[in-house]
Amino acid sequence: DTAVSQTPKYLVTQMGNDKSIKCEQNLGHDTMYWYKQDSKKFLKIMFSYNNKELIINETVPNRFSPKSPDKAHLNLHINSLELGDSAVYFCASSQVRTRGETQYFGPGTRLLVL
Amino acid sequence: KNQVEQSPQSLIILEGKNCTLQCNYTVSPFSNLRWYKQDTGRGPVSLTIMTFSENTKSNGRYTATLDADTKQSSLHITASQLSDSASYICVVSAGYSSASKIIFGSGTRLSIRP
Repeated sequence: DTAVSQTPKYLVTQMGNDKSIKCEQNLGHDTMYWYKQDSKKFLKIMFSYNNKELIINETVPNRFSPKSPDKAHLNLHINSLELGDSAVYFCASSQVRTRGETQYFGPGTRLLVL
Repeated sequence: KNQVEQSPQSLIILEGKNCTLQCNYTVSPFSNLRWYKQDTGRGPVSLTIMTFSENTKSNGRYTATLDADTKQSSLHITASQLSDSASYICVVSAGYSSASKIIFGSGTRLSIRP
């Protein structure tokens, strides 16, 4: 009964490929996020979705596109993968993005672009 | 510019000892400050959340303090255990609307030695 789950856990692929990472939460939260953690372990928010509406897009390349089929899912699609995309990608969710709200993180997807 | 700086970058202490991690921020308007623990290979887990009016909050052996005047926070760990070995991340939220920003510190890597 994992709260926030991501698939796959590991993803190794060639430059130029297109890949997707899936995220699901069973907490009933209405806001979901995608974060990128680089090799220096610095977490940076990429996207936030509230009620199927994008409310944050932190100047990430347009090769990255979040897709939310419903409130419980927020998938991340990446086109034309580049070496610099190698990182750990975390999905998170929270209930209404107000002050003091806790985000629950998934286990992460380790992406390696060769 | 909204920034969150943590110190030290890394810390090694003996099991059973206490330690304090620091977080300084320049974020406006301040909404809340959170401390997360991230075990190796896992997603961050929330330890504490503090808003402007709160200056201390405890979670077991973890005690966080907040000085909104000096824009500083600390996380004190009492009687450390081997399982406390992890990265501790300070996160500050700016703004109160749905477009508020979340700024992550780069974390403090804590290692507990037996």
